[in-house]
Amino acid sequence: TQLLEQSPQFLSIQEGENLTVYCNSSSVFSSLQWYRQEPGEGPVLLVTVVTGGEVKKLKRLTFQFGDARKDSSLHITAAQPGDTGLYLCAGAKGNQGGKLIFGQGTELSVKP
Amino acid sequence: DAGVTQSPTHLIKTRGQHVTLRCSPISGHKSVSWYQQVLGQGPQFIFQYYEKEERGRGNFPDRFSARQFPNYSSELNVNALLLGDSALYLCASSLLAGGAITPNEQFFGPGTRLTVL
Repeated sequence: TQLLEQSPQFLSIQEGENLTVYCNSSSVFSSLQWYRQEPGEGPVLLVTVVTGGEVKKLKRLTFQFGDARKDSSLHITAAQPGDTGLYLCAGAKGNQGGKLIFGQGTELSVKP
Repeated sequence: DAGVTQSPTHLIKTRGQHVTLRCSPISGHKSVSWYQQVLGQGPQFIFQYYEKEERGRGNFPDRFSARQFPNYSSELNVNALLLGDSALYLCASSLLAGGAITPNEQFFGPGTRLTVL
């Protein structure tokens, strides 16, 4: 059972385009983290959101946590080839704070 | 400051063998978690250790075991290896154990690529 569903699974776009990745669940999470992973490497933490409705910005990346803390989105403005990678969302539940539940990832390819 | 380090980076074993993977957390971090990432999927939680005690266990068989040492480094052991154990094994460190109030921000190492033939 996949508790966190990410969509789309694959995305291939041209440099300069905008995109949104979605992370959805029927479960409530106490916090949600977004990671970016390159081939053969470990995931790199981008952001943590903890409050329902919270919006965080990291340069051209905008992260939002749903009001009910069941879903999240990542929006990239004017994508660049350096944004290429696997984007993973991961949620933590209050009573299992040490265990991150990951989505299956979104493979993004940005072509020059 | 050094990030999370893992050794070895790559490992090739045959079915039935045993393997030990090692992890050193970020200095000052007391929690280490282990994840298995099969190609094309997100990481799956195996264990969490905090202050040398097991704090959580994922849905993995008893062939998987781990421990944490007084210096907070950790080992993951897998016995009787199966072909399906081939994966990237990731170690993540965090300052605290994580709970309802304190978000558990985890920082990952580069992983150990295990191939079972």
